[in-house]
Amino acid sequence: EAQVTQNPRYLITVTGKKLTVTCSQNMNHEYMSWYRQDPGLGLRQIYYSMNVEATDKGDVPEGYKVSRKEKRNFPLILESPSPNQTSLYFCASSRGDRAYNEQFFGPGTRLTVL
Amino acid sequence: AQSVTQLGSHVSVSEGALVLLRCNYSSSVPPYLFWYVQYPNQGLQLLLKYTSAATLVKGINGFEAEFKKSETSFHLTKPSAHMSDAAEYFCAVITKRGATNKLIFGTGTLLAVQP
Repeated sequence: EAQVTQNPRYLITVTGKKLTVTCSQNMNHEYMSWYRQDPGLGLRQIYYSMNVEATDKGDVPEGYKVSRKEKRNFPLILESPSPNQTSLYFCASSRGDRAYNEQFFGPGTRLTVL
Repeated sequence: AQSVTQLGSHVSVSEGALVLLRCNYSSSVPPYLFWYVQYPNQGLQLLLKYTSAATLVKGINGFEAEFKKSETSFHLTKPSAHMSDAAEYFCAVITKRGATNKLIFGTGTLLAVQP
């Protein structure tokens, strides 16, 4: 089954404790992206990757890092999480970033930073 | 830059009633527009997309949307609401970012369906 998986689905942590949220897709997609969803703000892009070893900042990259060492994986790293990073995070992938390409979303990771 | 505005953060309809979720876009070029649905505790799923082939776009689960350039709108409709339609709906537009494209989302509309 074609899908985007994220782990963990739920995470409660404390300020400053480094964490990684994994994202993996099995569709051989070149383009991958991370979003955060906050009430009243919709989804905002954090980082995106056009292909292996090609990443770039989205609209809200502060406090986050990513890597793309393999085509299928695109982990999101919070080196020193803070409470304002409490949010719902989604990973997405698509075949390239052509305007008409559908993005496939993972199930989400709900992060709480105390 | 392109953007979308969703009017109404919460919409409530009765089962069997018409569903109308509003989306207006701002774009200096012919836009690519999307509607996504998010069911509780799930990721986003594409409902339908407009890519300039036809102004009336049919999607999954009986939903459709009509692109109206004169009104800069792309409203989502369904003739008869079902309880399973209760979800959050996001309108989105593609915008250019340098040499790449980026998906810009609206703030979402939460649809409640009353029995």
